[in-house]
Amino acid sequence: NAGVTQTPKFRVLKTGQSMTLLCAQDMNHEYMYWYRQDPGMGLRLIHYSVGEGTTAKGEVPDGYNVSRLKKQNFLLGLESAAPSQTSVYFCASSYRMGTRGDQPQHFGDGTRLSIL
Amino acid sequence: DQQVKQNSPSLSVQEGRISILNCDYTNSMFDYFLWYKKYPAEGPTFLISISSIKDKNEDGRFTVFLNKSAKHLSLHIVPSQPGDSAVYFCAASAVHQFYFGTGTSLTVIP
Repeated sequence: NAGVTQTPKFRVLKTGQSMTLLCAQDMNHEYMYWYRQDPGMGLRLIHYSVGEGTTAKGEVPDGYNVSRLKKQNFLLGLESAAPSQTSVYFCASSYRMGTRGDQPQHFGDGTRLSIL
Repeated sequence: DQQVKQNSPSLSVQEGRISILNCDYTNSMFDYFLWYKKYPAEGPTFLISISSIKDKNEDGRFTVFLNKSAKHLSLHIVPSQPGDSAVYFCAASAVHQFYFGTGTSLTVIP
């Protein structure tokens, strides 16, 4: 049972470089999310998707782009990495929520990203 | 501004005793509240949730209490076990978004 898989697990970038983080889920979930976790800040939502071909901004979307071309994949892109984007990134997925947020999210194990 | 707050960064409890983790929120539009548990180098895993129309939900050793008037929820773990040592996040949902607290690190001492 793979669940939610994130690649890569670790990465070091130089300021200005670009990269893409990949999230794949095998649970046929409609919803997918990208979070970042920083010390003392909890998890903050970057972008999310409620279905294939859709994306929406979360709390902290600046500096990131996302794409959901296939239902099972959700990509997070950094076009020009900055030291402030050093963080641990978590992807999550869930079943479609009704009018109430009653579907728990399933998380990947995270990508630790350092920007020098 | 942090809409979901966990004011205790850490908590230590003796094995067999009760662990009480607290969470406060500011947005009265939140309709579901969830607790997640996180071990180092792993992603959070769902533990228990409660709808805003209820004031208590129980699942084995875990019970979540919701006080809407105080905008406060708590997670009770009874009895606490060493394997419960982890970081616990509370989260609140509104429409498609979830808002997380900063986490409380629980240590259960054998």
